[in-house]
Amino acid sequence: AQSVTQLGSHVSVSEGALVLLRCNYSSSVPPYLFWYVQYPNQGLQLLLKYTSAATLVKGINGFEAEFKKSETSFHLTKPSAHMSDAAEYFCAVIPRAGGFKTIFGAGTRLFVKA
Amino acid sequence: DGGITQSPKYLFRKEGQNVTLSCEQNLNHDAMYWYRQDPGQGLRLIYYSQIVNDFQKGDIAEGYSVSREKKESFPLTVTSAQKNPTAFYLCASSSYGTGYSNQPQHFGDGTRLSIL
Repeated sequence: AQSVTQLGSHVSVSEGALVLLRCNYSSSVPPYLFWYVQYPNQGLQLLLKYTSAATLVKGINGFEAEFKKSETSFHLTKPSAHMSDAAEYFCAVIPRAGGFKTIFGAGTRLFVKA
Repeated sequence: DGGITQSPKYLFRKEGQNVTLSCEQNLNHDAMYWYRQDPGQGLRLIYYSQIVNDFQKGDIAEGYSVSREKKESFPLTVTSAQKNPTAFYLCASSSYGTGYSNQPQHFGDGTRLSIL
């Protein structure tokens, strides 16, 4: 069965430093890939999605993610962290074959230090 | 603006009591979902519905029930059989059907349920 692995339940960076949140998927056929962000006591918001166009996907708030088929990865990056980026981030997939339900990773909480 | 509305934001349940969480969407989405979120456990799917008058169990359906009488509404009842209901509950919706399998989900702002 399809699964999503997010490496690191917690990531801490300094303000202005690079943000790198890791995500790997398990299927041999690349699924549709998504990153969502959740601020405290709120629902999830879509950051970006990959559906088989360009492998580098730009999202909101300066985030981007690169799809690498050879590594089955879809890591999320931002060149310079802001305090407002502190939140929980979820990687998610929808299998291409016969699926419409979203499978979520366990989430990575991002802390930003002043 | 289109979106998903969950109510109430906070809810308290007494022992032996059933409570119902509301979820309404005006996005014209066919599919709707309920998730439970516990600290450190990500999102777990409780129930989902692809069309009106039809729904399926997710991964943790025991102790919960749903209905889908209208396209816009997908209420969740937490029954007294759910022995550990304290959690953050999220409702979501998405487009469904041919050509929509790559569509993201839209989420409400959640209901936090606690035991009295």
